[in-house]
Amino acid sequence: ETGVTQSPTHLIKTRGQQVTLRCSSQSGHNTVSWYQQALGQGPQFIFQYYREEENGRGNFPPRFSGLQFPNYSSELNVNALELDDSALYLCASSPTGFMNTEAFFGQGTRLTVV
Amino acid sequence: QKEVEQDPGPLSVPEGAIVSLNCTYSNSAFQYFMWYRQYSRKGPELLMYTYSSGNKEDGRFTAQVDKSSKYISLFIRDSQPSDSATYLCASGYSTLTFGKGTMLLVSP
Repeated sequence: ETGVTQSPTHLIKTRGQQVTLRCSSQSGHNTVSWYQQALGQGPQFIFQYYREEENGRGNFPPRFSGLQFPNYSSELNVNALELDDSALYLCASSPTGFMNTEAFFGQGTRLTVV
Repeated sequence: QKEVEQDPGPLSVPEGAIVSLNCTYSNSAFQYFMWYRQYSRKGPELLMYTYSSGNKEDGRFTAQVDKSSKYISLFIRDSQPSDSATYLCASGYSTLTFGKGTMLLVSP
């Protein structure tokens, strides 16, 4: 088990609603990334935070937004939910400022949009 | 062309077989290469991490990177039924780009 925890584990939302997912990074890790993993696909990079600043973003629309807090925990917010947003949302943390070394993942939040 | 390509499988082998899992990537700037194992409905678990070209061994697992051909491999020796999972390769420099994953099934 990694020290990365995500909440909630499962969530069902209605199209058009907003959702907030949470991630506590592993102790000593200052970098958090969020990924979307659709069924049968690899994780797709959404964005990355280093010391409370966004320092990388994938090809996701602005309705996907995030925050990182002083304790390095993080939130992913998705507005105006669409059916295609149904996926496993993964949070990963790293100690180095970049997600290129020992990036450890949480168990994910499974979001279903109906 | 996707930046990281991986055959989705499934790949079925008998227990004890040597397994070879492969990925290709297209971005010459990628310097970091990882292999993750993902069990059903769980988060990915880091197996191997390699910087630049070369081999890295950890127990039954060996990771190889050939930057000249942009080819990444993971070998599993003496495969066990508990190795049955989806194996994800990932590469990048400041962020990670993942392949789709290869499902491995090891039968007793």
